Amino acid sequence: DAGVIQSPRHEVTEMGQEVTLRCKPISGHDYLFWYRQTMMRGLELLIYFNNNVPIDDSGMPEDRFSAKMPNASFSTLKIQPSEPRDSAVYFCASRPSSYNEQFFGPGTRLTVL
Amino acid sequence: GENVEQHPSTLSVQEGDSAVIKCTYSDSASNYFPWYKQELGKRPQLIIDIRSNVGEKKDQRIAVTLNKTAKHFSLHITETQPEDSAVYFCAALRYLKGAGKSTFGDGTTLTVKP
Repeated sequence: DAGVIQSPRHEVTEMGQEVTLRCKPISGHDYLFWYRQTMMRGLELLIYFNNNVPIDDSGMPEDRFSAKMPNASFSTLKIQPSEPRDSAVYFCASRPSSYNEQFFGPGTRLTVL
Repeated sequence: GENVEQHPSTLSVQEGDSAVIKCTYSDSASNYFPWYKQELGKRPQLIIDIRSNVGEKKDQRIAVTLNKTAKHFSLHITETQPEDSAVYFCAALRYLKGAGKSTFGDGTTLTVKP
């Protein structure tokens, strides 16, 4: 398996634009997590899904952020409109229900100008 | 919710020395405590973990200890090497029937000087 796949790896956009980050979890993993990492706030859990259903979105910073998981092999994190303070590395991670370890994707480095 | 505090934020040791990183957690129901290593520009990767029914776990040069009463756990790295230099994160979570979310510490930047 190729591991968790994220795209794009780097994204530079202007304030006000819509940004869509994509994630393909490891096949067979029931759980999918979206994290944001910044120097100021560290690694924060934004939302996680179980069997494509959002379980806890209490970490989503505000209404500008939304996440979907239309099927077991794909999830998106959307920011609309984007702001400079959204600049961060966004990680997607997945794990099976029978195993504790989360496997992280390579991350998407987002820069909002 | 869970709150995890991690200390120190930076740690510099000489090659061959030991390094210890400590974390405290607030939710007594937390039952799983992983440690992640993140090298510069890369993803976090699990290096060791411990469940609440175990007091200590060791994997070669790395060990983790857990004190449930005091609600703290520690990462111990012995015979450190330059390639151990990275940011280390602890996390705490409460698993219930397979579900649970992690709360991470703020990370410790470990530098091992040759």
